[in-house]
Amino acid sequence: GAGVSQSPSNKVTEKGKDVELRCDPISGHTALYWYRQRLGQGLEFLIYFQGNSAPDKSGLPSDRFSAERTGESVSTLTIQRTQQEDSAVYLCASSSDRGLSPLHFGNGTRLTVT
Amino acid sequence: QQQVKQSPQSLIVQKGGISIINCAYENTAFDYFPWYQQFPGKGPALLIAIRPDVSEKKEGRFTISFNKSAKQFSLHIMDSQPGDSATYFCAASKPGGFKTIFGAGTRLFVKA
Repeated sequence: GAGVSQSPSNKVTEKGKDVELRCDPISGHTALYWYRQRLGQGLEFLIYFQGNSAPDKSGLPSDRFSAERTGESVSTLTIQRTQQEDSAVYLCASSSDRGLSPLHFGNGTRLTVT
Repeated sequence: QQQVKQSPQSLIVQKGGISIINCAYENTAFDYFPWYQQFPGKGPALLIAIRPDVSEKKEGRFTISFNKSAKQFSLHIMDSQPGDSATYFCAASKPGGFKTIFGAGTRLFVKA
């Protein structure tokens, strides 16, 4: 596909369960970001992957959150033992350059923790 | 030093009016300043971007004004339309593999 693809588009889970969110970036994009967006709020940075460099994990809110990226392709964001405050839209974005190109966002995964 | 401060938080404009959103940054190493537009249920999408070697960039009804000495940049939407109602984010980035920094966002509502 031409754009960033995220799956699932919606996820409802019970409190305490683990969830895995997937992001397929645009082919060839070296940079990949995960953001969290609560209803009506801004973009909360979670994690940033750039090529083979160590990821910037400074935005992960707790050790229940982790993310992986295989080379310059797919990334997964895992949330363990989900809590109700984890309910939000999780957005993935990719970029082709080292800071001088726009980010291309997916449409996000809407996570609801009941 | 890595922050981008955006204002106002929300904005209501009459149809046909001018919408103005402001951003300020601290790190002089930033050299790419994009604006993103986000509609409900969608991810943000690039609207317009500027490099610091120019003071203004215009694309249709959208203009970025850039003041390098003041470390400020702003988005102007001329002849605002109800279809412009969305959330707008400014951002800043620099070369060398550093992550893009976003402002907090402005919710724009254009009244018909």
